[in-house]
Amino acid sequence: DAKTTQPNSMESNEEEPVHLPCNHSTISGTDYIHWYRQLPSQGPEYVIHGLTSNVNNRMASLAIAEDRKSSTLILHRATLRDAAVYYCILRRPFNKFYFGSGTKLNVKP
Amino acid sequence: DADVTQTPRNRITKTGKRIMLECSQTKGHDRMYWYRQDPGLGLQLIYYSFDVKDINKGEISDGYSVSRQAQAKFSLSLESAIPNQTALYFCATSEGDREAYEQYFGPGTRLTVT
Repeated sequence: DAKTTQPNSMESNEEEPVHLPCNHSTISGTDYIHWYRQLPSQGPEYVIHGLTSNVNNRMASLAIAEDRKSSTLILHRATLRDAAVYYCILRRPFNKFYFGSGTKLNVKP
Repeated sequence: DADVTQTPRNRITKTGKRIMLECSQTKGHDRMYWYRQDPGLGLQLIYYSFDVKDINKGEISDGYSVSRQAQAKFSLSLESAIPNQTALYFCATSEGDREAYEQYFGPGTRLTVT
């Protein structure tokens, strides 16, 4: 199985950038890197995904290492509503997702 | 209206009972999934279905079965519930014919087996 390693928790101040790291040393060439987040009492929601190049969308940016063995989710200005568990996931072919335990992000006002 | 709905939202049942959790979607997606989440942990894949005739086991399928009644409906059954199946259950959908797409999750069903 494609495994990812993330810190259990991180803390950030409101309005500051947040860099959430993820290691995936066993990634294969066909694995996409996905990030989801789960707000309290809700199902996970999609944040961003990428294959090799860095990606930006309205929610976040994804920086992928050149060897693809690690990636970083960047929230440019954390808000209180960004407090959630963030999951870094490798998507294998045929659309299977394997969730790890994620990083719990706490945002301080 | 929500794109992915789950019923019931909460359920308490006794050990040995058969229980069915239902999932419906209006997104028109071919692929549907069932996950369970234990407190403080990530999601584990139970079963997934790429279309009505294609059902596959996930990481933790023992003790569970599924039925894909239609493109829009995917049910999860616990034939004989046991306490360690107490968890939060999520249904999800995704498009079937594109290379890397997001999954859309339902609101979850909280199941307690006493």
